[in-house]
Amino acid sequence: KAGVTQTPRYLIKTRGQQVTLSCSPISGHRSVSWYQQTPGQGLQFLFEYFSETQRNKGNFPGRFSGRQFSNSRSEMNVSTLELGDSALYLCASSLDGQGGPDTQYFGPGTRLTVL
Amino acid sequence: AQSVAQPEDQVNVAEGNPLTVKCTYSVSGNPYLFWYVQYPNRGLQFLLKYITGDNLVKGSYGFEAEFNKSQTSFHLKKPSALVSDSALYFCAVRSYSNYQLIWGAGTKLIIKP
Repeated sequence: KAGVTQTPRYLIKTRGQQVTLSCSPISGHRSVSWYQQTPGQGLQFLFEYFSETQRNKGNFPGRFSGRQFSNSRSEMNVSTLELGDSALYLCASSLDGQGGPDTQYFGPGTRLTVL
Repeated sequence: AQSVAQPEDQVNVAEGNPLTVKCTYSVSGNPYLFWYVQYPNRGLQFLLKYITGDNLVKGSYGFEAEFNKSQTSFHLKKPSALVSDSALYFCAVRSYSNYQLIWGAGTKLIIKP
């Protein structure tokens, strides 16, 4: 099976712009989670989607949003970019995200640099 | 509240020596525990998980982890370290009733030739 794919792999934007990142989960996986990873804050949970619905949300401002399509592909959007949004954005998919032993599988990430 | 602690920011081991990366957790109910590895500029790769049963779990690349309920620990181990094991290692925990994975801060493992 193909793994989790994320596009683009690298992005450079300027403050105030907006950006959309894409994630294609492993075939058959219905849950998609997004994380922000920075050297100072570690791995922080953004949100999780299941069956096109946001099921869980982390503590990020409303500038961060996402959606999931009927084929389980997901996008996240960051509006009005700030310098502090520079990070590696990771997408992870799992079968149903029902908790318990369900394993998340990660994509390679999108490296976002905000200038 | 659920939490995971990786008490060491960095672990240095000589190649060929055994390695241990520590993880302790706090969760209500039975825990599900995971280890992931991250190589530079890459996503996280799943190594192993504990669900139930045998306290010693074997995973990818020769890694194993020991679940200790009384000490609420889930330390990652390998009998003989390789330079290629140098990477960032994350421990995570989830309880049965909570969807969300709780992540440790990560431990940088450096294997010296």
